[in-house]
Amino acid sequence: EVQLMESGGDLVQPGGYLRLSCSGSGFTFRNHGMSWVRQAPGKGPEWVSGITGVGGRPFHIDAVKGRFTISRDNSKSTLYLEMNNLRVDDTAVYFCARDRSPGGSYDDAFDLWGQGTAVTVS
Amino acid sequence: IVLTQSPVTLSLSPGNSATIFCRASVRIDSGTLAWYRQRPGQAPSLLIYGASKRASGISERISASGSGTDFTLTLIRLEPDDSAVYYCQQCDSTPYTFGQGTKLEIK
Repeated sequence: EVQLMESGGDLVQPGGYLRLSCSGSGFTFRNHGMSWVRQAPGKGPEWVSGITGVGGRPFHIDAVKGRFTISRDNSKSTLYLEMNNLRVDDTAVYFCARDRSPGGSYDDAFDLWGQGTAVTVS
Repeated sequence: IVLTQSPVTLSLSPGNSATIFCRASVRIDSGTLAWYRQRPGQAPSLLIYGASKRASGISERISASGSGTDFTLTLIRLEPDDSAVYYCQQCDSTPYTFGQGTKLEIK
């Protein structure tokens, strides 16, 4: 079955650290760019970070730049998001999402999403 | 790039049609506009990519069009299962952004 599964969300104090993981299965993981998208309670989705299939061109939105780091280990078909110096406004459900095109970049729609993992900073 | 959706909410009866609008703050490549549906407690799911191309498994009751700054999503013969929040999203330039959502209620 083609799927993504996130883990690592938790309740953490402001200034704390978390590492989220996203395991892909049922498809050639290295062929697809991947992203993290978060959704705060009652809000719409917000794209946070993206990375190419080979682990290049990591991008982070300004709100998390310098605090979050996206990476991937294609040998384990796993995407990561390291989150440092967490703030209350980082509270959200974090989804990993696959780029639709198997060209390796992250400049297309997201055709596969995980179920999300909840991060609460309080 | 700011995406503005309208209306914010839409309440319609089964069998009717719904049209949701998405306006971009600057002109975008139509190949970079997508639409998603999100049901409560679930992740968003892709409906449309490239402004008008249905994703795999998406009903022909759903169609979309648009170019430049103005895009539309249309659902016909509405069913109760169409109740959800619908989002447009652009991947024309980083940071990629989503619209604020349109809540569609079928009752």
